[in-house]
Amino acid sequence: DTAVSQTPKYLVTQMGNDKSIKCEQNLGHDTMYWYKQDSKKFLKIMFSYNNKELIINETVPNRFSPKSPDKAHLNLHINSLELGDSAVYFCASSQDIVQETQYFGPGTRLLVL
Amino acid sequence: GEDVEQSLFLSVREGDSSVINCTYTDSSSTYLYWYKQEPGAGLQLLTYIFSNMDMKQDQRLTVLLNKKDKHLSLRIADTQTGDSAIYFCAERPGNTGKLIFGQGTTLQVKP
Repeated sequence: DTAVSQTPKYLVTQMGNDKSIKCEQNLGHDTMYWYKQDSKKFLKIMFSYNNKELIINETVPNRFSPKSPDKAHLNLHINSLELGDSAVYFCASSQDIVQETQYFGPGTRLLVL
Repeated sequence: GEDVEQSLFLSVREGDSSVINCTYTDSSSTYLYWYKQEPGAGLQLLTYIFSNMDMKQDQRLTVLLNKKDKHLSLRIADTQTGDSAIYFCAERPGNTGKLIFGQGTTLQVKP
């Protein structure tokens, strides 16, 4: 009964490939997020969706396209993967955009070779 | 602007208190947070404080907020080896929903 789950946990792929990371939350939350953690552990928000609508887009390259089929899911598709995309990607959710608590998933470790 | 700064490393002995410090820049931040990340794991919310509070205590954890100086600290009493992890401070500017994280403080607890 994991609150925020992500698949896959690890992803190793070649440069130029297209890949997707999936996120699901069973908390009944309206708002979901994607964060990127680089090799120096620096965490930065990428996107946020509220009730399936994009509300935050932090100047992420358009090779990254989030998709929210319903409010319990927020997937991240990455086209033409580059070496610099190697990172840990964390999904998070909160009750809504003003609620104080964001719950994080376990992360997806992406390595681009 | 939005910026959060933390010292990178702290080493303490088991049983001592640990104090991790953080400064932030956005005075509109409504909530400030402490998250813990163990090696290879996700982020665990430890505690948070609303911007109109000065202090919050939760078992071994004490959060102090100096809003004037935009300074936040996390004190862990009786630090245990299981507390070894990276601790992230984060601010939430206004009602944007996004969290701005510091670069994390690695806490090393020596037996």
